[in-house]
Amino acid sequence: GENVEQHPSTLSVQEGDSAVIKCTYSDSASNYFPWYKQELGKRPQLIIDIRSNVGEKKDQRIAVTLNKTAKHFSLHITETQPEDSAVYFCAASVPGNQFYFGTGTSLTVIP
Amino acid sequence: ETGVTQSPTHLIKTRGQQVTLRCSSQSGHNTVSWYQQALGQGPQFIFQYYREEENGRGNFPPRFSGLQFPNYSSELNVNALELDDSALYLCASSAGPTGVSYEQYFGPGTRLTVT
Repeated sequence: GENVEQHPSTLSVQEGDSAVIKCTYSDSASNYFPWYKQELGKRPQLIIDIRSNVGEKKDQRIAVTLNKTAKHFSLHITETQPEDSAVYFCAASVPGNQFYFGTGTSLTVIP
Repeated sequence: ETGVTQSPTHLIKTRGQQVTLRCSSQSGHNTVSWYQQALGQGPQFIFQYYREEENGRGNFPPRFSGLQFPNYSSELNVNALELDDSALYLCASSAGPTGVSYEQYFGPGTRLTVT
């Protein structure tokens, strides 16, 4: 089955700096790559996603890039704010909409 | 917040018991996926239901089973509970036929503790 690896497991940045989280996947059939933000005690919330026919997608301060050849995708958060502090999960979806998640990155934005 | 709801919020069970968790999908969604999230880990795919049929299963034993009803709500049943089953159980609903990847929206989860 699909295997998703995520790095780093923890990340601390100063407010206003950028944060980058990287994921790799193993199944070349995976065609959809969502990113979720999970605050303590809350449900994962979809923040951005990218499909396999697109290389990059941006939504305000958040962007995601996908390299299908290398089987890796990344989340970029610019101008970080304290409210960006949370655990971020990447996922890869194989056809049939079954999601496989990474192990998470705990992001701390230091004011 | 999404329109996905789960019940109960918290549950404490004893090893060897059975448990049923419930999920109501978002309006217009016909697919429900269940995930187990252990503390400090990412959600792990248990199985998915599409139009009342199981459509894919992760690496979980048969004592994890499920149902989907005509209104697309779903149940997760776990028999012979083990201590390692203690986790947050999340359901996620999505729209669309199989073979296509759609956004999944999560419910708030059920925190299961097995003692």
